Amino acid sequence: QLQLQESGSGLVKPSQTLSLTCTVSGGSISSGAYSWIWIRRPPGKGLEWIGYIRHIGSTYYNPSLESRVTISMDRSKNQFSLKLNSVTAADTAVYYCARVASLAFDYWGQGILVTVSS
Amino acid sequence: SYELTQPPSVSVSPGQTASITCSGDKLGDTYAWWYQQKPGQSPVLIIYHGTKRPSGIPERFSGSNSGDTATLTISGTQAMDEADYYCQAWDSSTFPLFGGGTKLTVL
Repeated sequence: QLQLQESGSGLVKPSQTLSLTCTVSGGSISSGAYSWIWIRRPPGKGLEWIGYIRHIGSTYYNPSLESRVTISMDRSKNQFSLKLNSVTAADTAVYYCARVASLAFDYWGQGILVTVSS
Repeated sequence: SYELTQPPSVSVSPGQTASITCSGDKLGDTYAWWYQQKPGQSPVLIIYHGTKRPSGIPERFSGSNSGDTATLTISGTQAMDEADYYCQAWDSSTFPLFGGGTKLTVL
């Protein structure tokens, strides 16, 4: 059974960089059939995609966040990561990692709450 | 920019049918995906490719598409179906996007 687990700092100061890692178990992130995505949900709001990375390493970012986002993968650790710089209170959200299979987000992590506050 | 529009809220009585719509200019050319999210939980895929159910999703959940509108239908709605529902589509198979979400209340 595929499992995804987010980890990282739950509290980030304004203007600093948010860093999260998603550890995948039960399957390989190098599989050609899948991409890997970060999605967030701010309090009281809906889901917002942040960006995703294909198995070959190419990345696609939400245009509204593109200037601040970097997604990368570490095949040796079966992990992929999110960095979001210059954060503000508007970046406070539950952050999810998920697998993209045939255009569906079929497996999700449990989510991690990240609060931006001084 | 391309958007998906959902009603903010839908109410239904137990045992009745709930319909949640998702409108978008390109839905006539592409599929919709639907996700259910209960409080404190991660979203769950409940419909893919517009009409298909993943294994383990009850048959009371169904999806359809007519023109620029995709519809999620829940037949015989149960109290456990109370949740937020999101439609999702792809723009040129490169950029995903979500509808704003619909809060389903089972009264």
